[in-house]
Amino acid sequence: AQSVAQPEDQVNVAEGNPLTVKCTYSVSGNPYLFWYVQYPNRGLQFLLKYITGDNLVKGSYGFEAEFNKSQTSFHLKKPSALVSDSALYFCAVRDPRGGGATNKLIFGTGTLLAVQP
Amino acid sequence: NAGVTQTPKFQVLKTGQSMTLQCAQDMNHEYMSWYRQDPGMGLRLIHYSVGAGITDQGEVPNGYNVSRSTTEDFPLRLLSAAPSQTSVYFCASSYSWATGNAGYTFGSGTRLTVV
Repeated sequence: AQSVAQPEDQVNVAEGNPLTVKCTYSVSGNPYLFWYVQYPNRGLQFLLKYITGDNLVKGSYGFEAEFNKSQTSFHLKKPSALVSDSALYFCAVRDPRGGGATNKLIFGTGTLLAVQP
Repeated sequence: NAGVTQTPKFQVLKTGQSMTLQCAQDMNHEYMSWYRQDPGMGLRLIHYSVGAGITDQGEVPNGYNVSRSTTEDFPLRLLSAAPSQTSVYFCASSYSWATGNAGYTFGSGTRLTVV
């Protein structure tokens, strides 16, 4: 089955420290992976994506993600956390079923990032 | 450029009532979809459309209908509201995968409560 797992419901980090939000996936074929962020009472915003190429992908707001094929992971990282990074983060993978005609994304359950000042 | 516009932002329904959640995008995106967000369950796909006149079911389609008469609009209809449909609903759109740059643009959501 195609799926995405975010093993941590919440991640707590002090401002200025590095942060990691974990994501693992299970899909057939080559994975197309995404990270989205949701601030309170808002819709989701696109952060970054991995389609092919370099395993380290850079995105918005200083975030980056590392694709690891052998570990089937796509962890979100930032070298120095800000209080304003506190939000709900979703990992997603494109559903390969249906081929290129569809663009369905399968989302993880989300990880709440809390950055303490 | 308004992006994806959802209306209403909040709605309270009584069990058995029907209503339509509106979604409109002005980016000429081919692909549109509806998700519901529930605590601990992430986002689950209700229905999606790959273009005008074409719709298909997602993961949790029961109790919902959609249509796509134009590229811009993708309304979601609740036929007979049930308390289990209490949720936050998000509309999202994107270019098709073949077009490229297929990241989603989300609306700001509709918070629905069924009593």
